[in-house]
Amino acid sequence: DQQVKQNSPSLSVQEGRISILNCDYTNSMFDYFLWYKKYPAEGPTFLISISSIKDKNEDGRFTVFLNKSAKHLSLHIVPSQPGDSAVYFCAVNAGGTSYGKLTFGQGTILTVHP
Amino acid sequence: GAVVSQHPSRVICKSGTSVKIECRSLDFQATTMFWYRQFPKQSLMLMATSNEGSKATYEQGVEKDKFLINHASLTLSTLTVTSAHPEDSSFYICSARSGRGTRSYNEQFFGPGTRLTVL
Repeated sequence: DQQVKQNSPSLSVQEGRISILNCDYTNSMFDYFLWYKKYPAEGPTFLISISSIKDKNEDGRFTVFLNKSAKHLSLHIVPSQPGDSAVYFCAVNAGGTSYGKLTFGQGTILTVHP
Repeated sequence: GAVVSQHPSRVICKSGTSVKIECRSLDFQATTMFWYRQFPKQSLMLMATSNEGSKATYEQGVEKDKFLINHASLTLSTLTVTSAHPEDSSFYICSARSGRGTRSYNEQFFGPGTRLTVL
């Protein structure tokens, strides 16, 4: 049973436009959410995170939105750049005795065309 | 800051041999390190969690006798794949997290990964 789902395996956008990557989760007890960017044959790079007490966090071109009632988070990248092309994973940090363990979504391949 | 290294980046070995992969946190003390593996076009799957000075906690379905994890210091964890077989071929990635109260407590910083190929 997949606790974290990224339903879009790929996304293609034009340079300068907005990229919106989506992620859904099942457990309302999850309390910390992260986005990672990954290139092939490399480890994931941390992008941005959000705590469950917030509904928005912004860092430069990256904004993460959290909708707790819908158990949904999204990553907005604006403006998108060709260098943003990579696989994006959302991850959730479990609470309780599992605190610190990350559960990852399947990833979304973002391609930004010049 | 928050740099994690892995060594080697790529290893090819014969079936039946053992392979050791090192994971180091270079500029912070990692109280907890995690080991993941990733199959092609799939997500990262957590294999085990190791806390410095204690035994690793393995995820369901991961053989602890096959994947030996040692976290002897606050900056080094090792994963040893024992008696490797071709089905163990994968991309292995470690991550590190510092102690409670620090910036990276809620975040994990990943190493660059190790590509293991077992012939």
